[in-house]
Amino acid sequence: DQQVKQNSPSLSVQEGRISILNCDYTNSMFDYFLWYKKYPAEGPTFLISISSIKDKNEDGRFTVFLNKSAKHLSLHIVPSQPGDSAVYFCAASGYSGAGSYQLTFGKGTKLSVIP
Amino acid sequence: DSGVTQTPKHLITATGQRVTLRCSPRSGDLSVYWYQQSLDQGLQFLIQYYNGEERAKGNILERFSAQQFPDLHSELNLSSLELGDSALYFCASSVYDQTYNEQFFGPGTRLTVL
Repeated sequence: DQQVKQNSPSLSVQEGRISILNCDYTNSMFDYFLWYKKYPAEGPTFLISISSIKDKNEDGRFTVFLNKSAKHLSLHIVPSQPGDSAVYFCAASGYSGAGSYQLTFGKGTKLSVIP
Repeated sequence: DSGVTQTPKHLITATGQRVTLRCSPRSGDLSVYWYQQSLDQGLQFLIQYYNGEERAKGNILERFSAQQFPDLHSELNLSSLELGDSALYFCASSVYDQTYNEQFFGPGTRLTVL
């Protein structure tokens, strides 16, 4: 049972346009959400996060929106650049017992920004 | 460079064998996490250690085990390997064990079981 879903395996966008990556979750106990970016042959790197008490967080060209009632979050990249081409993973953090928090990842969306 | 190191980068072995993957966390990080990424799959959480003690278990097979040593480096042991164990194995570290903690990932070890 996938608790974090990224339904689009891939997305192509023209350079300079907006990229919108979507993520849905099922566990209402998740209280912190993160986006990671992964280039080939490298580990994932943290991009941006949002707490469940907020509905928006911005960092430069990257904005994450959270809709708790819909259990949906999205990552907006404006303007998109060729260097943004990577796999983007959505992750959700929740309490997993024994004083521990665990990240649950989606399967990722491969973004291709076309020059 | 995240500051997390993993060795080896690549590992090719045969079914039935045992391998050990090594991870050194970022300086100062107390938590180490292990993840498995199989083909077309997301990152599956395997196990977490915090300051030498096992803290959480995810989808880790009984054939797999891990430990964190006093110097905080960690090893993931995979035994009786099967073809389906071929995957990328990532280690991540964080300072604490809190929901707001960003995890820093190493470059991964690619395991191929033939």
